[in-house]
Amino acid sequence: RKEVEQDPGPFNVPEGATVAFNCTYSNSASQSFFWYRQDCRKEPKLLMSVYSSGNEDGRFTAQLNRASQYISLLIRDSKLSDSATYLCVVTFDSYNAGNMLTFGGGTRLMVKP
Amino acid sequence: EAGVAQSPRYKIIEKRQSVAFWCNPISGHATLYWYQQILGQGPKLLIQFQNNGVVDDSQLPKDRFSAERLKGVDSTLKIQPAKLEDSAVYLCASSLGARIYEQYFGPGTRLTVT
Repeated sequence: RKEVEQDPGPFNVPEGATVAFNCTYSNSASQSFFWYRQDCRKEPKLLMSVYSSGNEDGRFTAQLNRASQYISLLIRDSKLSDSATYLCVVTFDSYNAGNMLTFGGGTRLMVKP
Repeated sequence: EAGVAQSPRYKIIEKRQSVAFWCNPISGHATLYWYQQILGQGPKLLIQFQNNGVVDDSQLPKDRFSAERLKGVDSTLKIQPAKLEDSAVYLCASSLGARIYEQYFGPGTRLTVT
C-alpha cells in the first residue's frame, strides 16, 4: 500500500463546476498536510496548508479527517486556469530521520469551457 | 527575491554515463531537498539536507546516486552510472527550516537516459 494515495484522474469538469479530490495516507502519526499545485512541465507550488479545523482560501477549501486518514480539496466555481495536477503532501516527524515528506501521485484536473 | 536555481535544465546521456546536477537554494534557506519525479508520478524525496548535514537519504539509491551540500548552500546530485529508469525530472527545493514545510521548488532538470 502506498503511503499517500490519490486518484490520478483526470477529472474533466466544465467551467463553474465544483470539484473535490481526496488523498488518503497510511501513517496515523502523520502530522502536517498540504496541497501543492503543479502545472504541466512546471515545478510544484504550495497551494495551501491543511489544518485540523479546515481552512478556506477563496474558492479553495481544504479539510482534514484524522480518524479516516484523508485530506480533501474542494474547488468551487472552477476556472480554466485551475487546470493542473494537485499533489497532496503528508509529513511525519521521525526522531532519527527528521521530518519526512511524502508526496501523493497527484490528481489531474482539466477544466473545459 | 531570487528563486531556487538549477542547472542544467535538460540533459541527455547514454546509459552507464555519469551526470551531475546543481542547485542553488533561496538565500537563507537551511533545508534543501532533492526529488525525482518520473512522468505521471508525484515527486519522490531522494535526500534532505539541513545546512550541510544529511537528514534523510533513505530513498537515495546509494550504489549509483550521491549528493553533497558543501558549506550548507549549493548542492550537487550525481548519478554514476546512469540507467534507463533514471529518466525523470530532478527537482531541487528549499525551505527556511526542517520543520517549516513550505518548500520552494526550482524549475528542475529533465534527464533522458538513452
